[in-house]
Amino acid sequence: GNSVTQMEGPVTLSEEAFLTINCTYTATGYPSLFWYVQYPGEGLQLLLKATKADDKGSNKGFEATYRKETTSFHLEKGSVQVSDSAVYFCALSEGGGFKTIFGAGTRLFVKA
Amino acid sequence: AAGVIQSPRHLIKEKRETATLKCYPIPRHDTVYWYQQGPGQDPQFLISFYEKMQSDKGSIPDRFSAQQFSDYHSELNMSSLELGDSALYFCASSLRGNTEAFFGQGTRLTVV
Repeated sequence: GNSVTQMEGPVTLSEEAFLTINCTYTATGYPSLFWYVQYPGEGLQLLLKATKADDKGSNKGFEATYRKETTSFHLEKGSVQVSDSAVYFCALSEGGGFKTIFGAGTRLFVKA
Repeated sequence: AAGVIQSPRHLIKEKRETATLKCYPIPRHDTVYWYQQGPGQDPQFLISFYEKMQSDKGSIPDRFSAQQFSDYHSELNMSSLELGDSALYFCASSLRGNTEAFFGQGTRLTVV
């Protein structure tokens, strides 16, 4: 079945450091890929998405590229801020009413 | 733009009580999904509905039931509540054929 694997956290970085959170997926079809962010005590917010191979999703300085050949969708940001501290979930969906499947989440701490 | 509305936002119940969570999808969305997120966990899929019919079932306990009504809103009914049911419950909606599901802010259920 479909699944998402993302790097374990927590990840602790200093402000302005480069961020990479790895995500790989297994899917039988051609899913869309997503990154969601969850701030403490809050709900899930869609951060970015990509719907087909080689698409790059980007938002708020974050970006991720849909790599079909490596079945990956790694999240990157060139310079993190303290306000980026949150839990990040990689997810996939094949649409057609199929559920969204989440990775385990990666907690990011950014120190001032 | 209208989003997915969940009510109540917070709910405190005692063990063995019942709870009903409500979800109002984005207008014209025909598919609703329910997820449970325990503390420090990723969202786990419970159940989904398309056009008022159950379309998929995940790790939903037998003590829980759900339905989708003619106006497409959905309710998750939880009986004989246990301490372990304390979690954040998310509802999401989508248009069948689209891959992106839109998530509500969640209902935080605390069982004491």
